[in-house]
Amino acid sequence: GAGVSQSPSNKVTEKGKDVELRCDPISGHTALYWYRQRLGQGLEFLIYFQGNSAPDKSGLPSDRFSAERTGESVSTLTIQRTQQEDSAVYLCASSLAWETEAFFGQGTRLTVV
Amino acid sequence: QQQVKQSPQSLIVQKGGISIINCAYENTAFDYFPWYQQFPGKGPALLIAIRPDVSEKKEGRFTISFNKSAKQFSLHIMDSQPGDSATYFCAARNPSGSRLTFGEGTQLTVNP
Repeated sequence: GAGVSQSPSNKVTEKGKDVELRCDPISGHTALYWYRQRLGQGLEFLIYFQGNSAPDKSGLPSDRFSAERTGESVSTLTIQRTQQEDSAVYLCASSLAWETEAFFGQGTRLTVV
Repeated sequence: QQQVKQSPQSLIVQKGGISIINCAYENTAFDYFPWYQQFPGKGPALLIAIRPDVSEKKEGRFTISFNKSAKQFSLHIMDSQPGDSATYFCAARNPSGSRLTFGEGTQLTVNP
């Protein structure tokens, strides 16, 4: 595709439910990142995938958060048993390689009620 | 040590003026310093970036100044325009390349 695509663009969920967020990176991009952006704040690193290497999961805030990526394609970020503090915009980015420019998607706005 | 501190939190300038946003970092191993521009409802977009072996980089109206000894870098927007009104984030990349550490953002408003 032309850019990084994320779905859904908005998600409202009840506290305690699981949610799955999807990211379609730019075709051919080997690196993929997930970030969280709380209202009025900077971007908080969550997880990084590079090709077939083991992902860097060091930014995941708790074991309720997990992410998968198959090869160099789609990634899903799963949040189990959502809490109100999980409400944020979840941004995905991809880059051709780790040392090149990262392109961001428009994000998924998650609201936990 | 992974933090990047950004100031000011918000900035208002008149059209035609100079906007200056500052960032400071601690980790001397950071090897790449980009600035991102974010409009409401959109993801951040790369504006300009610099590596630590260069003290200044200019692209059009946008200039990064980098002071390696002070561990500081700044974004200057010359002849600021209302269309520049957005949130600006500085960032720094760690040597393994696995993450960008972002500043907290500066909301810039350029009045016509």
